[in-house]
Amino acid sequence: QKEVEQNSGPLSVPEGAIASLNCTYSDRGSQSFFWYRQYSGKSPELIMSIYSNGDKEDGRFTAQLNKASQYVSLLIRDSQPSDSATYLCAVKPGSSASKIIFGSGTRLSIRP
Amino acid sequence: DVKVTQSSRYLVKRTGEKVFLECVQDMDHENMFWYRQDPGLGLRLIYFSYDVKMKEKGDIPEGYSVSREKKERFSLILESASTNQTSMYLCASIVTGLASHEQFFGPGTRLTVL
Repeated sequence: QKEVEQNSGPLSVPEGAIASLNCTYSDRGSQSFFWYRQYSGKSPELIMSIYSNGDKEDGRFTAQLNKASQYVSLLIRDSQPSDSATYLCAVKPGSSASKIIFGSGTRLSIRP
Repeated sequence: DVKVTQSSRYLVKRTGEKVFLECVQDMDHENMFWYRQDPGLGLRLIYFSYDVKMKEKGDIPEGYSVSREKKERFSLILESASTNQTSMYLCASIVTGLASHEQFFGPGTRLTVL
């Protein structure tokens, strides 16, 4: 089992709809969770971090964490074509001071 | 603004050559990382360093070595480049102690080994 798993996609969502991206992780001791966005040919950039169970909202983005189910998700409301990118889920294992484990990413495509 | 720079955006080398990839960060971060990114495999950690002259192997260290002589600079070395090392190489840095643990990435180096 991979430490951080994501559906590779592509996930195609109409413009203006909600895009839902999911991620599961294997280390129950993990405390920190991140979503990075990566445009084609560019390096990843952090868009959301979440540390406690529940929802965290930032503009059109909402991160959801359920530690009991070892599940973290990212919702993008009012999807725009500029949201088309690969979204990487990342988890800091409980045993690590700084190392972060990345999922392989979900490719999101917003169709006009 | 945190800045992480990498010495080259594109690099073409021949099999057997020694290759140096340089990464520099300007925010006094203790921790620096080298990843490679391949389609379908995501980001895989090669090596990381948590202090000057300190290093730890990541998930795929074979065929690579690293050097951290100064806090701001972390070098990735391919002792004898092979075609299976053709990839995108990403450097990142982070400061410990901050709640965010955000990794700041450099622009990447796309290495092709012929």
